[in-house]
Amino acid sequence: SQTIHQWPATLVQPVGSPLSLECTVEGTSNPNLYWYRQAAGRGLQLLFYSVGIGQISSEVPQNLSASRPQDRQFILSSKKLLLSDSGFYLCAWTKKGGTNSPLHFGNGTRLTVT
Amino acid sequence: AQTVTQSQPEMSVQEAETVTLSCTYDTSESDYYLFWYKQPPSRQMILVIRQEAYKQQNATENRFSVNFQKAAKSFSLKISDSQLGDAAMYFCAYRSGGTGGFKTIFGAGTRLFVKA
Repeated sequence: SQTIHQWPATLVQPVGSPLSLECTVEGTSNPNLYWYRQAAGRGLQLLFYSVGIGQISSEVPQNLSASRPQDRQFILSSKKLLLSDSGFYLCAWTKKGGTNSPLHFGNGTRLTVT
Repeated sequence: AQTVTQSQPEMSVQEAETVTLSCTYDTSESDYYLFWYKQPPSRQMILVIRQEAYKQQNATENRFSVNFQKAAKSFSLKISDSQLGDAAMYFCAYRSGGTGGFKTIFGAGTRLFVKA
């Protein structure tokens, strides 16, 4: 069966510090990968998606970047965090080619920028 | 661009009763998919039910069913025999069925309270 791992679960970082959130998927190959952000009490905003290694599409201009160095690894980064980067970050995957494939989410990372 | 609207920020239901959560969407596409996700206090996102736009029959998963009205662009979720474990945020979501159908768009969510 497929599983998705996302870490860390909680992170408190000062303004101006770097960020690296990591996500890996097991049990499937060549998935589509996604990073979403959820502000407090709000819906999910798509930040980045990737359809293959090294292929990143950005949905929202911002202080963040994403990379996919391996087929089942997706990394969200920032060189200098802003207060507005605080939120709940969710990694997710879908099957390749199946547009009815639902999103499978990781457990999320709660990021607080102080 | 497609949008998803959930007009009910909060809903409340008595245990064992039935509740309906509303969702409308805006799209010019004819091929797409609709989803309902549940986010309990643990914040783990869980798929509740999905609907293909080309199917006229409403999807059903145990106590969960949808009322899909394609012409009205409406996709409501009905929860029957509500249980305490149903208390959560519920998100309606849309995905294009075309070749560029990578992005899933979410509504703002409805928080469901279940009273014992």
